[in-house]
Amino acid sequence: GENVEQHPSTLSVQEGDSAVIKCTYSDSASNYFPWYKQELGKGPQLIIDIRSNVGEKKDQRIAVTLNKTAKHFSLHITETQPEDSAVYFCALPKAGNMLTFGGGTRLMVKP
Amino acid sequence: DTGVSQDPRHKITKRGQNVTFRCDPISEHNRLYWYRQTLGQGPEFLTYFQNEAQLEKSRLLSDRFSAERPKGSFSTLEIQRTEQGDSAMYLCASSLAETQYFGPGTRLLVL
Repeated sequence: GENVEQHPSTLSVQEGDSAVIKCTYSDSASNYFPWYKQELGKGPQLIIDIRSNVGEKKDQRIAVTLNKTAKHFSLHITETQPEDSAVYFCALPKAGNMLTFGGGTRLMVKP
Repeated sequence: DTGVSQDPRHKITKRGQNVTFRCDPISEHNRLYWYRQTLGQGPEFLTYFQNEAQLEKSRLLSDRFSAERPKGSFSTLEIQRTEQGDSAMYLCASSLAETQYFGPGTRLLVL
């Protein structure tokens, strides 16, 4: 089945710095790459996604880059704020669109 | 609020009891998914409905678990004879296409 590896598992940054989280995958048929943010006690919330016909997508302080040749995609958060502190998950769809999630990255933004 | 809703948000039960959770998807979404998430892990796929048809079940879904979506709208997930290992967050998601939107989850604690 699909294997998704996510790094790092924890990331601590100073407010205002950038954060980068990377996921690597094995299934070359993947063509949709979402990122979710999960706050304590809540369900995952989609924050950005990218499809394989583009290499980068940006939404304000959040961007996702995709390298299909190397089979990895990354989440970039610039000008981090304390409210960005959460667990972030990458995910990949399988047949039927069920998602396989990475192991998660706990991001801590220190004020 | 027109997002995915789940009920109850929390459930504490004794080992051996049956529990039932409900999920109401976003109204026009024909696809509905159940996931389970244990502490420190990403969500794991359990089962998937397209309209009222249950199209896929994970090997995680033992015989004690059953899910229904009788009219292609809301869904229920029942766990019979609960075990301590069933303690987890049960998440529901819905979609029209590839983008899945998650509910807040039902946190189950089996004593």
